[in-house]
Order: sequence, then structure tokens, then C-alpha cells
Amino acid sequence: QKEVEQNSGPLSVPEGAIASLNCTYSDRVSQSFFWYRQYSGKSPELIMSIYSNGDKEDGRFTAQLNKASQYVSLLIRDSQPSDSATYLCAVAEERTGGFKTIFGAGTRLFVKA
Amino acid sequence: SQTIHQWPATLVQPVGSPLSLECTVEGTSNPNLYWYRQAAGRGLQLLFYSVGIGQISSEVPQNLSASRPQDRQFILSSKKLLLSDSGFYLCAWTSLAKNIQYFGAGTRLSVL
Repeated sequence: QKEVEQNSGPLSVPEGAIASLNCTYSDRVSQSFFWYRQYSGKSPELIMSIYSNGDKEDGRFTAQLNKASQYVSLLIRDSQPSDSATYLCAVAEERTGGFKTIFGAGTRLFVKA
Repeated sequence: SQTIHQWPATLVQPVGSPLSLECTVEGTSNPNLYWYRQAAGRGLQLLFYSVGIGQISSEVPQNLSASRPQDRQFILSSKKLLLSDSGFYLCAWTSLAKNIQYFGAGTRLSVL
């Protein structure tokens, strides 16, 4: 069973702190990795994509990928109350004619003002 | 730029009634299209995906069906809704260049 595992949380951090979100995946052939943010009642929106081992930084967000350990993480620096949302980890693998994306159940993040 | 439209935003249906949800994409051709369902407090469950007109792959056997009558149109249907069909239905398309999925605004379906 191919899976993407996340701690459901909730993860609570004070405003200005670093929030660390983690994700593991089971399929070694996975090729693309994503973090989506989903506010309550809204659809997911892409935060970060990462395709190779190492770190990728975009503003306050840093994604980290370790394919050998099948692990991907998201760091949010200087957390803001507006970052409070559910963060979905997603992994894409190639299928005939396209890619299939598998989503984790999400980690709920609360940033306290 | 690409845009994905999904409607209606909210739907309340009685058990046993039919369902039709529509999704259209603008600004791209031959997109891969997807239907997901999200139960309250849960992750995304892939229901169907399509790589082209008339090509539908089902991920979960159930009383739902999907069709793709046009390149940029994807329809989710049911002949008779069950209580368990309640949830947040999301349509998405994939940018094949980077495998990124972009979601519509979603339809919140309540079956009563």
C-alpha cells in the first residue's frame, strides 16, 4: 500500500517561532514532492514543490527532501497567525499518460498570537 | 493563465437523488484532470482521473462515475446518492511540466 504519512497534530507554535512539519512516504519511485496549505473550508493551494534532495527556500518557507530516508519536511520561519491552516504533504509518481499524486491526511498548524 | 472552474459551491441533496458536478479548465489543452473527495477532517481521496477525452480511471469502487465529454470538461455523477457520499469534492488539473496539481474551489455536498 503506497502511503504518505503525516502527524495529524495539531501543532501549536507561538507567533515568530519556527514551525516544523514532517512527512514520510513509502514508494521509492516517487519523483515529485509538494506541500499544500488548506484553510478551513477552502481548497488546497501549493506552497512548495521540491524534486531533488536537499533544501529549497522560498521566502519564509523551506522544503527539505531526503529520498534515501523517504522523508520530506517543511519549515515555516517567523510563523504568523495567518499561517494557521492544515498542511498537506503530497507525492507524485509517474503513471501511464501522466502522474498520480498521493496526499497525506495533513497536519493542523496553529500559530498563537 | 490557467483557470479551473467548479460548481456549484454548495449542494444539499436527499438520499437517493442523482448528482452531477461539473469542472472546466481554461488556458490549457489536454490537461490531466482529477476528482477528489475530502471527508470532514480527513485527507484527499482520489476518486477518478482522466488523461484525455473519454479516458477515465477509477481509483475507488463506489456508486460514483465520471465522464470527460470534452477536452477541458470533467463531470462527476451519481444515479443515487448515499449518506456516505457527503463531503468536499475537489476537481484538479495537473501541470505536466512540474507535476503540480491545481484545485478548483470545491463543492461541499451534504446528503441528507
